[in-house]
Amino acid sequence: EIVLTQSPGTLSLSPGERATLSCRASQSVSSSYLAWYQQKPGQAPRLLIYGASSRATGIPDRFSGSGSGTDFTLTISRLEPEDFAVYYCQQYGSSQGYTFGQGTKLEIK
Amino acid sequence: EVQLVQSGAEVKKPGESLRISCQGAGYTFTDYWITWVRQMPGKGLEWMGRIDPIDSFTKYSPSFQGHVTISADKSISTAYLQWSSLKASDTAMYYCARHRQPLDPFDSWGQGTLVTVSS
Repeated sequence: EIVLTQSPGTLSLSPGERATLSCRASQSVSSSYLAWYQQKPGQAPRLLIYGASSRATGIPDRFSGSGSGTDFTLTISRLEPEDFAVYYCQQYGSSQGYTFGQGTKLEIK
Repeated sequence: EVQLVQSGAEVKKPGESLRISCQGAGYTFTDYWITWVRQMPGKGLEWMGRIDPIDSFTKYSPSFQGHVTISADKSISTAYLQWSSLKASDTAMYYCARHRQPLDPFDSWGQGTLVTVSS
């Protein structure tokens, strides 16, 4: 099973700042089958990024993804108040199934 | 508009059985797999398993194999997650989500079904 480790566990920033979230895999994620999801309290997760760097439909361009192999990054260029949430990375390229990281909580400083 | 509409919250006792549902609307149900994800209170996301509604082919996470059953009825665009004997540790929010192929991300999610198991 591919284990995904996200860091930091909690990130405290102010609106307008840049956020950088990390996701590291225990083995290479094939063909960049890596996605990022946003989850707000009381809501279902929402797909932000797939294929490591492609934005999902309707996602603002302040969200960007990068990386390959075992190291991936989600960047939010200028934080808006609605961006404070929990973010999960997910790999979906393993024949054994899918795994999620443990999440990064992005909170207002 | 694509929607996955899940059944309502459930409160059950240990040992009871349960089936929750996820109905797709606004798209061709058989064009997408349905997956189930567990979120225990205050915790992260765990993939449980998936089903292809066109032929009900399923794949389970090793962590959930044998503990739950995933099924689908394509005639009513509905997928199911069921337990034959609930435990207190099954208390969680359960989400369904769709993906076009196994190697695709989950692009639309249901609103979640809260299952509480308590004596």
